[in-house]
Amino acid sequence: ETAVFQTPNYHVTQVGNEVSFNCKQTLGHDTMYWYKQDSKKLLKIMFSYNNKQLIVNETVPRRFSPQSSDKAHLNLRIKSVEPEDSAVYLCASSSYWGQNTLYFGAGTRLSVL
Amino acid sequence: AQSVTQPDARVTVSEGASLQLRCKYSYSGTPYLFWYVQYQRQGLQLLLKYYSGDPVVQGVNGFEAEFSKSDSSFHLRKASVHWSDSAVYFCAASPYTGNYKYVFGAGTRLKVIA
Repeated sequence: ETAVFQTPNYHVTQVGNEVSFNCKQTLGHDTMYWYKQDSKKLLKIMFSYNNKQLIVNETVPRRFSPQSSDKAHLNLRIKSVEPEDSAVYLCASSSYWGQNTLYFGAGTRLSVL
Repeated sequence: AQSVTQPDARVTVSEGASLQLRCKYSYSGTPYLFWYVQYQRQGLQLLLKYYSGDPVVQGVNGFEAEFSKSDSSFHLRKASVHWSDSAVYFCAASPYTGNYKYVFGAGTRLKVIA
């Protein structure tokens, strides 16, 4: 049963446009993440939020900005997309004291033309 | 540095055959170890996890994994694969608390053929 919801499923856009992705979790978790998965399936953590506080910001380009209104929601905005941003963006959540299991959404597939 | 290595990028097995997917880790302290599976067009799902106790841990859908401290390995096994097991499998490690230091392997793409 899906408990981490991501919208949209797919997004096609052109270089230079702004895009936003949404993520919501209904598991009551206190930590949420954005991962980028490239075409070779490699996973790279981008951001992590614990109770609305940014606790990790790996070296991603400044055009990426996470936003969290509460611990159940985590959005990702890309201000001016580049071709290398084409990827699947996976949202995940976990409980800080919950034996570290990550729960993933189905992902948002971004294609930059 | 912490790392998880999956030496086999692709594995092909016949339906009904046994399976082993390899995972080696390098991690300071005692990590949680995980296997996740990603079916096409889906997110990752937990298969099983290990922290301590019996080194053989059972997971969903008949999967099991065996932890070896001496070998720094956490290999995944299944006695008899089904075509629906075709997916990408990820081995991962994390500290006891604080998920932001999760380390994923590069994944092994499993193809089950008739």
